[in-house]
Amino acid sequence: GQQLNQSPQSMFIQEGEDVSMNCTSSSIFNTWLWYKQEPGEGPVLLIALYKAGELTSNGRLTAQFGITRKDSFLNISASIPSDVGIYFCAGPNTQGGSEKLVFGKGTKLTVNP
Amino acid sequence: DAGITQSPRHKVTETGTPVTLRCHQTENHRYMYWYRQDPGHGLRLIHYSYGVKDTDKGEVSDGYSVSRSKTEDFLLTLESATSSQTSVYFCAISDNRGLREQYFGPGTRLTVT
Repeated sequence: GQQLNQSPQSMFIQEGEDVSMNCTSSSIFNTWLWYKQEPGEGPVLLIALYKAGELTSNGRLTAQFGITRKDSFLNISASIPSDVGIYFCAGPNTQGGSEKLVFGKGTKLTVNP
Repeated sequence: DAGITQSPRHKVTETGTPVTLRCHQTENHRYMYWYRQDPGHGLRLIHYSYGVKDTDKGEVSDGYSVSRSKTEDFLLTLESATSSQTSVYFCAISDNRGLREQYFGPGTRLTVT
């Protein structure tokens, strides 16, 4: 089935640094979703992307829908301790019913004060 | 935040006992989903519902059943719990406007001893 590969798997950064992570697939997606999950909580939707090349921001977060439709990127500027969590990408399953999502396994972010 | 609640939030049960988890939404969304989240596996779809009394299997449905008698409630039942079903269970909802964003509940941590 479809898979989403996220990299890096984990990141350890200093407060104030910028962060970049990405999500790639061997198949085309027509929507990209980025979620953040904090310890003990459910995933929270951060950004949704619907068009190839689209660049969308949510505060210090910026995500881009790759031109090839096979990748997406999430950047966090000037990181702060509350950015800690696991960031997931997701997209509608185009092979088994688009009402279902395919999820990446996440990038775990640690921010040192 | 989307109006999604899950109950119970934590449960410890013994092998062989039946367990029912409840997801309740106040958003009147058509689609509801049950996922489990385990280290190394990410989020995996158990079952989902596309309307009252309309359900379908996900990728890890063995040992689980679901029911949806009202738009707002989606129940997940483990008929005879096993230790391999120890996990964190998340409910998610999605509307019927064609967008594929899913919104997650806070999760239920289930331990089967």
